Amino acid sequence: DTAVSQTPKYLVTQMGNDKSIKCEQNLGHDTMYWYKQDSKKFLKIMFSYNNKELIINETVPNRFSPKSPDKAHLNLHINSLELGDSAVYFCASSLGLLGYTFGSGTRLTVV
Amino acid sequence: GQQVMQIPQYQHVQEGEDFTTYCNSSTTLSNIQWYKQRPGGHPVFLIQLVKSGEVKKQKRLTFQFGEAKKNSSLHITATQTTDVGTYFCAGRSGNQFYFGTGTSLTVIP
Repeated sequence: DTAVSQTPKYLVTQMGNDKSIKCEQNLGHDTMYWYKQDSKKFLKIMFSYNNKELIINETVPNRFSPKSPDKAHLNLHINSLELGDSAVYFCASSLGLLGYTFGSGTRLTVV
Repeated sequence: GQQVMQIPQYQHVQEGEDFTTYCNSSTTLSNIQWYKQRPGGHPVFLIQLVKSGEVKKQKRLTFQFGEAKKNSSLHITATQTTDVGTYFCAGRSGNQFYFGTGTSLTVIP
C-alpha cells in the first residue's frame, strides 16, 4: 500500500487554466505538507497543515490554495496557471516533527 | 531568514571513492534530518540527529551533527552506483524544517 499517494503523476496544461493536485496519506500522520521542487532541485515549503489546520503558509501567490478536508488529505488547487508554476510538487506527511514521508510527486508543465 | 546551505552542489566520484556532503545553517538547529532523492524519484528519509556532536552510522553512511548544532555532514565510504542521487539535509528551527540546497552525487562505474 502506498503511504503517501498523490495524483496525478503528470499534469500538462495551458497557461490560465485552473488545476488541482490531490494527496492522501494512510500513515496516521497528523501533519501534511506541500513542497515545490524547481529545476535546480531546490525544495521549497509551500504549506503545512496540522490536524486540518494551516500552520505554515510561506510566501506563495494566492493563486495557490490548499484544502484539507480531513487530516489524511491535503489537496492543492492552483488558479490561473503561469509558466513559472512548472515544477514538481511533492506532498509529504509526518507525525509531529519526525521524518517526513514524501509522495512520488506531480510533475506540472504549463505550456 | 533561515538558510541551510549544502556544499558541494555537485560531486562526481569514481566508484569506490569516498564522498562527503556538508550542511551549514545560519542559526542553531534543534535537530537535523537527511534525505536521499534518486533521479526521477522523491526524497526518502534516512536519519535524524538530535544531540550536539552526535554520530550515527548506517552501513557505509556516517552522519555527524556539529558541536554547535549549526552544521552536519554525511560521509559515504566506498561509493557504489546505487548511491547516485541528491542528498538533502533538513534542519529544524522552531517548528519548521528548512531543507538544504542539496548535493547531487554522480558515481562513475
